[in-house]
Amino acid sequence: EVQLVESGGGLVQPGGSLRLACAASGFTFSTYWMNWVRQVPGKGLEWVAIIQNDGSNQWYADSVRGRFTISREDSKNSLYLQMNSLRDEDTAVYYCARRGFFDLWGRGTLVTVSS
Amino acid sequence: DIQMTQSPSSLSASVGDRVTITCRASQGISNDLAWFQQKPGKAPRALIYAASSLQSGVPSKFSGSGSGTEFTLTISSLQPEDFATYYCQQYKSYPITFGGGTKVEIK
Repeated sequence: EVQLVESGGGLVQPGGSLRLACAASGFTFSTYWMNWVRQVPGKGLEWVAIIQNDGSNQWYADSVRGRFTISREDSKNSLYLQMNSLRDEDTAVYYCARRGFFDLWGRGTLVTVSS
Repeated sequence: DIQMTQSPSSLSASVGDRVTITCRASQGISNDLAWFQQKPGKAPRALIYAASSLQSGVPSKFSGSGSGTEFTLTISSLQPEDFATYYCQQYKSYPITFGGGTKVEIK
């Protein structure tokens, strides 16, 4: 089955760190650009970051640049998001999504930043 | 950044109605536009890419059109399972940006 499954969400204090993972299956992960997208519950969608299929380039939203790092490990069919210096406003459901036009989404993982 | 503006932000429609949602880009994006459907508590589902190409498995009642700065998503005959929020997205340039969403509700 073609799918993406996120993990690693949870409760973290402001200023803390968290690492999200996205496990891909059912397709040749190494050939696809991959994204992270987030959504505050009840609000709209916000793109976070994208990584090229060979991992050579990454692009970030201004709101997370310098704090978040997107990476991938093709041998494990996995995408990651390292989140540092977390803020209250980073609280959201985080989704991984495939390709520039997001043809496949995971179910998401909730990150709550609160003291 | 390219701003994406959807209209209306919400609409009420009946089963069987033809529904059209508009998305406008603040600058030309060629046809680098996608549409998504999202139901409460669920991940978004991809409907259309390249402005008018249907994603695999998406029923033909959904159609997209447009190029440049103005785009539309049309649902030809609204069914109960189509009541949801719809988003457009441009992937012409970074940052990738989404419209604010259109909530389709039952009349």
